[in-house]
Amino acid sequence: GAGVSQSPRYKVAKRGQDVALRCDPISGHVSLFWYQQALGQGPEFLTYFQNEAQLDKSGLPSDRFFAERPEGSVSTLKIQRTQQEDSAVYLCASSLGPSGGAGHEQFFGPGTRLTVL
Amino acid sequence: GQNIDQPTEMTATEGAIVQINCTYQTSGFNGLFWYQQHAGEAPTFLSYNVLDGLEEKGRFSSFLSRSKGYSYLLLKELQMKDSASYLCAVPIFGGSQGNLIFGKGTKLSVKP
Repeated sequence: GAGVSQSPRYKVAKRGQDVALRCDPISGHVSLFWYQQALGQGPEFLTYFQNEAQLDKSGLPSDRFFAERPEGSVSTLKIQRTQQEDSAVYLCASSLGPSGGAGHEQFFGPGTRLTVL
Repeated sequence: GQNIDQPTEMTATEGAIVQINCTYQTSGFNGLFWYQQHAGEAPTFLSYNVLDGLEEKGRFSSFLSRSKGYSYLLLKELQMKDSASYLCAVPIFGGSQGNLIFGKGTKLSVKP
């Protein structure tokens, strides 16, 4: 079956532009996560949805970052007025249930590499 | 707070065995995951440990000691394709119990 897909795979933005990153999770997966991964680092949590409810957004670095999952499937991460420090790979992951239980591993998409010039 | 430590880089020879260590400090414990990430690709799930001891899965095994806050990933019969970053991660305990806290990853280079 299809895995997690993300689009675009690569995005170059000029500083100050708004960007929207899309995530299509595995069908039927309740939980959806966004992570930010800088070069040579592990992924860092941004936000978490259970169905359409955003249960945790504590990792969003500023109010320029906004995520939604209006129908409990596809999710969009929006970054307004992009800055150079926003350059990173943005990973989306989904799982059947909340992680922390056997069988609830997170399946990751290929990521969107954002470069802000 | 939560903290995960693992070595930054390791080098090993094809056919050999390598052990990648991970130590963690968490306010609670709800299991530990290992992921593999090839350069430019998505992390892929390798193992999950919630009880003490060794879990074996083919060439890869993962060990956990909850009392020591310690885990390791053991890779046997190394192949060139095992060159990748290996990420140790623990789920947040309490709250939404949703997201994972990742270590910085250990970049493994397998040499011929």
